[in-house]
Amino acid sequence: QVQLVESGGGVVQSGRSLRLSCAASGFTFSNYGIHWVRQAPGKGLEWVAIIYYDGHNKYYADSVEGRFTISRDNSKNTLYLQMNNLRAEDTAVYYCARDKGYCSGGTCSGGGAFDVWGQGTMVTVSS
Amino acid sequence: EIVMTQSPATLSVSPGERATLSCRASQSASSNLAWYQQKPGQAPRLLIYGASTRAAGIPARFSGSGSGTEFTLTISRLQSEDFAIYYCQQYNYWWTFGQGTKVEIK
Repeated sequence: QVQLVESGGGVVQSGRSLRLSCAASGFTFSNYGIHWVRQAPGKGLEWVAIIYYDGHNKYYADSVEGRFTISRDNSKNTLYLQMNNLRAEDTAVYYCARDKGYCSGGTCSGGGAFDVWGQGTMVTVSS
Repeated sequence: EIVMTQSPATLSVSPGERATLSCRASQSASSNLAWYQQKPGQAPRLLIYGASTRAAGIPARFSGSGSGTEFTLTISRLQSEDFAIYYCQQYNYWWTFGQGTKVEIK
């Protein structure tokens, strides 16, 4: 079935780095943009970043711009989030989520909402 | 940034009753509005996109309406599995979420 599975979370000291992964299965990974979304303990959802289907276009929330890097390997059906210079406020459950828009031949349609989510991976930044 | 404001923060409803959740955008989101349901310890689940289109497998008791800056999610007859937190999200200009409405048992 269509599935996203995150991994790589853990406890890390402030200022250090961590890389998250998101493995996709059950659909053609290279036809979809994928987002990272995070949720601090007891808080709401915050969009973090998106990488489009071909990996060429990437965008970030202001809160992580310059510290986080999103990437993907379509040959491995895997998404990544490299997180550098981590701060206490980055502590959250990190979800990968598929953008609903289907992309083919350089054209995407029907996108924007997040129709498939992983189970999340917890990142704790200690000071 | 488009700021999304949901009301109320908490809604107490009896099973079988109707629940009406509101979401307001600080500027027009057109019809690029989604609703998600999240239960404790679980990932969010897409309920509604395009302001009023139910996602695959979502029961007909869930309906969405609105456009521009005012949106509503209605759950016509609450069932036990519907008690959860609901988030609206605009995707007209980047992506932002509301702070959530918790639907609890009255």
